[in-house]
Amino acid sequence: QQPVQSPQAVILREGEDAVINCSSSKALYSVHWYRQKHGEAPVFLMILLKGGEQKGHDKISASFNEKKQQSSLYLTASQLSYSGTYFCGTSLLMNTGNQFYFGTGTSLTVIP
Amino acid sequence: SQTIHQWPATLVQPVGSPLSLECTVEGTSNPNLYWYRQAAGRGLQLLFYSVGIGQISSEVPQNLSASRPQDRQFILSSKKLLLSDSGFYLCAWSRSDRRDSPLHFGNGTRLTVT
Repeated sequence: QQPVQSPQAVILREGEDAVINCSSSKALYSVHWYRQKHGEAPVFLMILLKGGEQKGHDKISASFNEKKQQSSLYLTASQLSYSGTYFCGTSLLMNTGNQFYFGTGTSLTVIP
Repeated sequence: SQTIHQWPATLVQPVGSPLSLECTVEGTSNPNLYWYRQAAGRGLQLLFYSVGIGQISSEVPQNLSASRPQDRQFILSSKKLLLSDSGFYLCAWSRSDRRDSPLHFGNGTRLTVT
């Protein structure tokens, strides 16, 4: 049930771009993206519901390819504050309840 | 506005001892409630979720249990802790009337079993 994220870790210099991918083996109803700073709780970034939907949040945006059961998070012109671990969370189409599964996480480090 | 409280923040317990972690939500009714565990450097593993009082679904069979004695209270328990139970435990809630509701997390409990 757990989606798979890639890459596991990435190091960027300020101003560089990054893409984080999230892939599920099952059909998805929705994809959420969260960022977690070390020792803190994950914080919600955005949700994608429809196939092909793209959303933006400052210089962070995401897309959802329903057919491929994949989502990607795009971080452009990265800032030091972007550092943290990014998780995708998925709600499966087959579930009528509210089970919510998180990916394995991607550690992002932005250096000056 | 809604808030979620989770305690204690840190806990050190010997192997074989019992466990009780508590989570309460304020400012909303009939929330979905979740317990997740995060091992060091790992992802978030769904342990239990609940859609109502007394309704608990377990995702991972283990020596942990959960209860929901009141609408906005969620408790994670164990009768005998194992070393492998160490980790960061997170409680979360979401709205039950909207399937697109994001999860809102408590500040977590860092459990070390010695």
